[in-house]
Amino acid sequence: AQTVTQSQPEMSVQEAETVTLSCTYDTSESNYYLFWYKQPPSRQMILVIRQEAYKQQNATENRFSVNFQKAAKSFSLKISDSQLGDTAMYFCAFGGSQGNLIFGKGTKLSVKP
Amino acid sequence: DTGVSQNPRHKITKRGQNVTFRCDPISEHNRLYWYRQTLGQGPEFLTYFQNEAQLEKSRLLSDRFSAERPKGSFSTLEIQRTEQGDSAMYLCASGLTTGGSPKNIQYFGAGTRLSVL
Repeated sequence: AQTVTQSQPEMSVQEAETVTLSCTYDTSESNYYLFWYKQPPSRQMILVIRQEAYKQQNATENRFSVNFQKAAKSFSLKISDSQLGDTAMYFCAFGGSQGNLIFGKGTKLSVKP
Repeated sequence: DTGVSQNPRHKITKRGQNVTFRCDPISEHNRLYWYRQTLGQGPEFLTYFQNEAQLEKSRLLSDRFSAERPKGSFSTLEIQRTEQGDSAMYLCASGLTTGGSPKNIQYFGAGTRLSVL
């Protein structure tokens, strides 16, 4: 069975600084995708970034980038130039052959002015 | 594209009552997923549909839970004889998939928060 582990329950960062959120996963599948979702307080979950397991190049989306280490089964999210609007719960998720997503427990990120 | 819509946003009920939630996915999305999220946890998968067919059910989906997607568009999730442990946020997501590829992005609704007293 696949598992996703986020070891940082809470993190904080100063506005304009850089922060990295950690995620590890376990799977025996070879074809899968990894996702980071953001859930602002009392708002719906939105996709931040997606990584295809067969691609060695790390995905980037503006200020968001990942460090994907397939052998280590590690998938961290780096947020550069943090903004107040980045304050949210961040969930790492695994998408495999079954179609549904498996989520970690989340990291609560607070961006301080 | 109006996004995934869930109704109601909040539901308070007494233990033992039945409740039903509705999810309207993004039009033309053929997959629809239900997840449950309790406080301090990530969403947990319950079930999903491809068109009108229910393809997968989690063991979390006890026999008190039933989900339907009768015409391959909106879906309903019913909980019978609610228990206090059913209190949670119920999230719906939709996506467009071809061939069962895992790459497809799931778009989430705002959820229905259920409180069982």
